[in-house]
Amino acid sequence: SQQGEEDPQALSIQEGENATMNCSYKTSINNLQWYRQNSGRGLVHLILIRSNEREKHSGRLRVTLDTSKKSSSLLITASRAADTASYFCATAHNTDKLIFGTGTRLQVFP
Amino acid sequence: SQTIHQWPATLVQPVGSPLSLECTVEGTSNPNLYWYRQAAGRGLQLLFYSVGIGQISSEVPQNLSASRPQDRQFILSSKKLLLSDSGFYLCALSRGWDQETQYFGPGTRLLVL
Repeated sequence: SQQGEEDPQALSIQEGENATMNCSYKTSINNLQWYRQNSGRGLVHLILIRSNEREKHSGRLRVTLDTSKKSSSLLITASRAADTASYFCATAHNTDKLIFGTGTRLQVFP
Repeated sequence: SQTIHQWPATLVQPVGSPLSLECTVEGTSNPNLYWYRQAAGRGLQLLFYSVGIGQISSEVPQNLSASRPQDRQFILSSKKLLLSDSGFYLCALSRGWDQETQYFGPGTRLLVL
C-alpha cells in the first residue's frame, strides 16, 4: 500500500488565503518531500525535509515534520491562482525509491 | 541541469496491441531511472526502476516490462496491452550525488480501447 496519505483530497480557497495540506505515513523515513503537479504534466520537486528537521521554509512554502506522529504539513501562504495544482508528499527510506501519497488537489480562485 | 524527454506525449492503442514508451535523459550521467503510472486523479505507482544499464527492478506484477539499453535511455514495453494499462506514464530520474530528489519528465498519456 502507499506510504503517504494526503488530507484533504481537495481544497478550494480564494487568492490571498493560506492553504494547508497534510500528509501521514506509516513507517520510519529518511526524509519527506513535497511535489507539485500541474494538470497533465510531470511532477516538480518543491521541498525536502529530513527526519531530524522539524520545520523548513522556501519562499511562500512552509513544511513541518512530526516524526512522533508520522505526519507532515505543507503550508502555502498568500496563495495565487497559479498555485492551482495537485500536491503530493513522498517519503524516502533506505532505498533508491520514493513512495508517493495520493495527493491534494488545490484550486485557488482569483 | 538535466532534461527528461518522453515520447510519445499521447497514445491511443487497441487492447492486445504492443507498447513501447521511451524515456531519454540529457545533462546527467549514470542516473537512477524510474517508471511510474498514474491513474486519473490518483497518486503515483512505481512500476520499475533502474540503477544502471541492464539493471531493472520490478515493483508490481503486470504485463509490462522495462529495459535500459543505454545509460540515458529507459524503455517501457508490453507485448499485449490490457484496458487496465490506461493511464499517465511518468519517467523520472535521481542523480548520483542526490539520490533523494526525483526529477520528472512530461509524461505519456496512454488510452487503451
